[in-house]
Amino acid sequence: QVQLVQSGAEVKKPGASVKVSCKASGYTFTSYYIHWVRQAPGQGPEWMGVINPSGGGTGYAQKFQGRVNMTRDTSTSTLYMDLSSLRSEDTAVYYCARGRYALDVWGKGTTVTVSS
Amino acid sequence: EIVMTQSPATLSVSPGERATLSCRASHSVSSYLAWYQQKPGQALRLLIYGASTRATGIPARFSGSGSGTEFTLTISSLQSEDFAVYYCQHYNNWPYTFGQGTKLEIK
Repeated sequence: QVQLVQSGAEVKKPGASVKVSCKASGYTFTSYYIHWVRQAPGQGPEWMGVINPSGGGTGYAQKFQGRVNMTRDTSTSTLYMDLSSLRSEDTAVYYCARGRYALDVWGKGTTVTVSS
Repeated sequence: EIVMTQSPATLSVSPGERATLSCRASHSVSSYLAWYQQKPGQALRLLIYGASTRATGIPARFSGSGSGTEFTLTISSLQSEDFAVYYCQHYNNWPYTFGQGTKLEIK
């Protein structure tokens, strides 16, 4: 079945970076864009950006420009989201989600906690 | 960026009754509108895409309508498992944006 399996929870100090992975299976890896969405505690979801696994092209929300980098490894069908210069406001659950248009398959999420 | 506004923030409805949730876009998104359900501790689940098309496996009691800037999600006869938070999201262009959600609670 179609699955997106994400890496485990992370605890980081302010100023550090975090890299979250998302391994895709059960479908043709290069046929669907992968989006990254985060959700802070008690808040609504926030779209961070998207990567095209086929060519590696990306699009980022302006809020994260310069701080986020989305990459993929086609040999392992794995996507990565790297967020740098972490601050306490980046504490959230980070999701990868598949979608050509609407987001039809979601990973279970990776909790990232930023705390000194 | 397009701002999505949902109303009400909380909706109290009895099981078996109908629930109507609203979503407004600050600019037209045509029919590029999706609805998601989220239960505590879980990821979002796609319910509706294209404003009115049910996703795979979604019961017929869920229906969506609207186009342009005004959209509605209707749940015709609420079941216990439907009490959750619902989000709308446009995918007309990047950045995609979500509404702040409507919490559907048991009356």
